[in-house]
Order: sequence, then C-alpha cells, then structure tokens
Amino acid sequence: DIQMTQSPSVLSASVGDRVTLSCKASQNINKNLDWYQQKLGEAPKLLIYFTNNLQTGIPSRFSGSGSGTDYTLTISSLQPEDVATYYCYQYNSGNTFGAGTKLELK
Amino acid sequence: QVQLKESGPGLVQPSQTLSLTCTVSGLSLTSNSVSWIRQPPGKGLEWMGVIWSNGGTDYNSAIKSRLSISRDTSKSQVFLKMNSLQTEDTAMYFCARDTMGITYWGQGVMVTVSS
Repeated sequence: DIQMTQSPSVLSASVGDRVTLSCKASQNINKNLDWYQQKLGEAPKLLIYFTNNLQTGIPSRFSGSGSGTDYTLTISSLQPEDVATYYCYQYNSGNTFGAGTKLELK
Repeated sequence: QVQLKESGPGLVQPSQTLSLTCTVSGLSLTSNSVSWIRQPPGKGLEWMGVIWSNGGTDYNSAIKSRLSISRDTSKSQVFLKMNSLQTEDTAMYFCARDTMGITYWGQGVMVTVSS
C-alpha cells in the first residue's frame, strides 16, 4: 500500500505569510493527488485536484505542485480563515490520505 | 443541488455489524462514484472504499475482509456494511461523491462502538 507522509504535522504562521505544506508518497503516484481542507467540526473541502488544478470557488492564493513522489500545497498569503487541517490524498493505487498538517496562526 | 446524507445507528456493540445508508440527491449513481471515509475522534481521515458508477467496488486493504459497499440506484442510496466491529472503529463516517475529486461530502454520522 502507498503511504503518504505530510510535513510538518503542525505549522504556525502569521497572516500574510507564504505557507508551504509538503506531502511525500512512498512510491510514484503520477500526480494522482488531491488536497483537502478541514475546519473544526466540518466535513473536508476539496481545494486542489490532480496535483495543480484549483477547485471551483477556491481562492487563487491556494496552489499545488509536484510530481513523482513529492507534492506541495502553497498558500501565497495566509488569511485567518485558512486556519484548518490540510490533508493530501492519493488515488493512484488504492486510496490513501496523509496524516494531515494542522495550520495555526502565530 | 447535490446532497448526500448518512444515516444509521449511533451506537453499536463490539463484534456486531455496522449498517449505514447514504441517501443521495441531485446526482445519478450510475454516473458518479461514491466513497465512504471515516475519521476517529481527533484523528485523521481514512478512505474505506468506493462504489464506482458501473457498480464495481474497491476497498481499503486493511479492512477489506470486513467491509461491503452496495447500492440501490432506484432509491439513490449507497450502503455500507462492516462486521466484527471493535472500539477502534468508533468514528465519524462520511459518504462522498468521488468523481474528479471528492467534491461533495455528507455531514457525517458518528458511530460509537461500545457495550
């Protein structure tokens, strides 16, 4: 089974910061990766699909990149409403979520 | 307007079978896939399995022996059955439309495994 490792597990940043979240797969997942945002008490929300495609309605400050085993979610200018846990999710072989990165305000 | 809603018992005894229903509106099950995903309290997400638009299924290998997903397209319902429940199966269970990303999620149903 493919394992997904997210880092860091917790990230503290200030409003306006550029924030980068990482996700590493245990084998090549051919860009078959999504990013989800989950706020406390809510269902997850799709942000990015197939590595770098912005879901409709998601602010353009969110972007995704990567290939092979290494993937990144970037928030260009952190906003207070971005406080949440972020999960990567691969569907290349089986389906696996990463353990999540909890994003906090400094 | 696409909606998914999970229903089922909130409490299940250990070793018993969990049965959940996902009722879908605003989309056709013959054109969309539906996944089940769960989340233990305070922990991360676990993909459980999917029923594809053609009716085929795939399951998480870790729970495959205990899990079954089926559907009734005439009623727009997807079903999850998982047997031999243990306390570690206590979680919020979500159904979600899984086509071009997991785009629509139900509100989730909390299932507690306890005697």
